[in-house]
Formats: sequence, C-alpha cells, structure tokens
Amino acid sequence: DQQVKQNSPSLSVQEGRISILNCDYTNSMFDYFLWYKKYPAEGPTFLISISSIKDKNEDGRFTVFLNKSAKHLSLHIVPSQPGDSAVYFCAASEWASGTYKYIFGTGTRLKVLA
Amino acid sequence: DTGVSQDPRHKITKRGQNVTFRCDPISEHNRLYWYRQTLGQGPEFLTYFQNEAQLEKSRLLSDRFSAERPKGSFSTLEIQRTEQGDSAMYLCASSAAGAEKLFFGSGTQLSVL
Repeated sequence: DQQVKQNSPSLSVQEGRISILNCDYTNSMFDYFLWYKKYPAEGPTFLISISSIKDKNEDGRFTVFLNKSAKHLSLHIVPSQPGDSAVYFCAASEWASGTYKYIFGTGTRLKVLA
Repeated sequence: DTGVSQDPRHKITKRGQNVTFRCDPISEHNRLYWYRQTLGQGPEFLTYFQNEAQLEKSRLLSDRFSAERPKGSFSTLEIQRTEQGDSAMYLCASSAAGAEKLFFGSGTQLSVL
C-alpha cells in the first residue's frame, strides 16, 4: 500500500512559468513533509520541508502548501528555470521508535523548456 | 560540513559475487540510513542506525544483506551472493538527532550481470 503518492510521473513547463508538483498521502500521523530534487546518477538533494502544523512554507522560488484535510501537498516553483529540470520526490516522515521514518513517493520528472 | 560520502560510485559485478559499499555520514549526525532506489521508484528504506546500534531493518533486507556501523561513524553495506534483482542505486543518508531533514549521499549504482 503506497502511503505517499505522486500521481503525475512527468510535467513540462515553459521557462518563467509556474511549476506545480503534487503529492497525496494516506497516513494522518505524518509529522513532516519534505521535497527532494534528484539529478541523474546523483543522490536526492533536500529542497524544502513543512511541518504538519503549518499550511505553507516558502523559500525563495519554492513554496510548499499543505492541505491536511485533503491529505495533499504541493510544491510550487516560480519562476521555473531550465536548471530546475530534475526528478522531484515527495517524502513524509513519522516519529516512531526514537527516529523519523521516511516514506517516499515515486517521483515526478519536471522538464522546464527554454 | 563535507556532506554524506559514498564509495564506490559505481560497481559492476557478476551474479554470485559479494560486494561491499561504504558510507561516511555528515560528522555530527548520529543517525544513518540505507535506502535502495530502482528506476521509476522512490527511495525504499533498508535499515537504520543510531550511533553504532542497528535499530531497524526492512523486510526488503534479506539475509544476504548485512550492514554495520562499528564505531558509530562510517557504515558498510554488504550484499552476499548477488542476484540480478539486486541491481539498483544504494543510497546512504544521515540526520542529526531530533532533526527532520535527511541528507543523502550520491549513491552507489550497482549492476549485477
């Protein structure tokens, strides 16, 4: 059972426009939600996170929105740049047994067209 | 802060051989995780260490897999009698105590022929 879902495997956006990546989850016990960016042949790089007690967190061009009632979060990138082209993973974490346990979605491949 | 370091970056081996990967976490991080990622999937949890203690192992970690973190610093992941299904990227990650952010290394890409 996939607890964290990214239903769009790919997304193409024109440079300068907004990119919106979506993520749904099923476990209401998740404490934090994180977004990671991954280039080919590299490990995921942390991008931005949000606590379950907040509904928005912003860092430069990146904003994450959390809708707990819908169990949905989204990552907005504005304006999108060609260097943003990568695979984006949504992750959710739950504090259990003395540590955070992380569950990742399957990723969305973003292509920003120049 | 030099980040999480993994070695080697790539490993090609023949089926049935043993392989070992090394991970050096961020120095002040006491939590260390191993994940596996295959094409089209997100990272899947394998095992977790707090200092030198291995506190959790996934059902994905068969008895051919073993991980150690002998002095609470670097960790090794060994796969014995490799199978073609073991081909994947093996990712190491670390985090500080109480922190929610997980920092990943560049991964080791394993190809079993």
